[in-house]
Amino acid sequence: AQSVTQLDSQVPVFEEAPVELRCNYSSSVSVYLFWYVQYPNQGLQLLLKYLSGSTLVKGINGFEAEFNKSQTSFHLRKPSVHISDTAEYFCAVSDRGAQKLVFGQGTRLTINP
Amino acid sequence: DTAVSQTPKYLVTQMGNDKSIKCEQNLGHDTMYWYKQDSKKFLKIMFSYNNKELIINETVPNRFSPKSPDKAHLNLHINSLELGDSAVYFCASSHRDRENTIYFGEGSWLTVV
Repeated sequence: AQSVTQLDSQVPVFEEAPVELRCNYSSSVSVYLFWYVQYPNQGLQLLLKYLSGSTLVKGINGFEAEFNKSQTSFHLRKPSVHISDTAEYFCAVSDRGAQKLVFGQGTRLTINP
Repeated sequence: DTAVSQTPKYLVTQMGNDKSIKCEQNLGHDTMYWYKQDSKKFLKIMFSYNNKELIINETVPNRFSPKSPDKAHLNLHINSLELGDSAVYFCASSHRDRENTIYFGEGSWLTVV
């Protein structure tokens, strides 16, 4: 069975500072990895995904993530955050071919001015 | 053009009532899902349908009955609503033979009083 652990439930950061949201997963098979963002009272929006190929993936809004197979991690980073990045961020994993996402618990990113 | 649309967005109802949430996708996808997000923001799959056939049914009370009249629609009917059913319900879709990426609707906020 797959599982996803987001190591921080809340991350407060000052505006224009860099941020890293951590995600570790466990799976016995090859996986696809995703980050979704949920702005307050809104739905889930896909930020980026890793399916295969380059382990560094770039997404929308200046976010990027790096797949590390040996560490079973998929951490999300942004070099300089903006107030508008305040949201809940979810890491998710799916087995290749099994169209079912298993989500982490979410990390609330709060940007302070 | 909303890719995955669900209605209603907000629903407040009394215990014991029966209610439905409707979902439609215009992405040409062949697989649709219902996910539940609880009060702690945890997201978990409830059901998935591929070409109108039930694929995943994750230990959901049988008061919840999904119905897929065609590939583009997946409705969720809930009988005898309980306080614990209060949550955000997300409809989503993907295509089995293309990228393994699931796209979510805006969510339906259900409050049972």
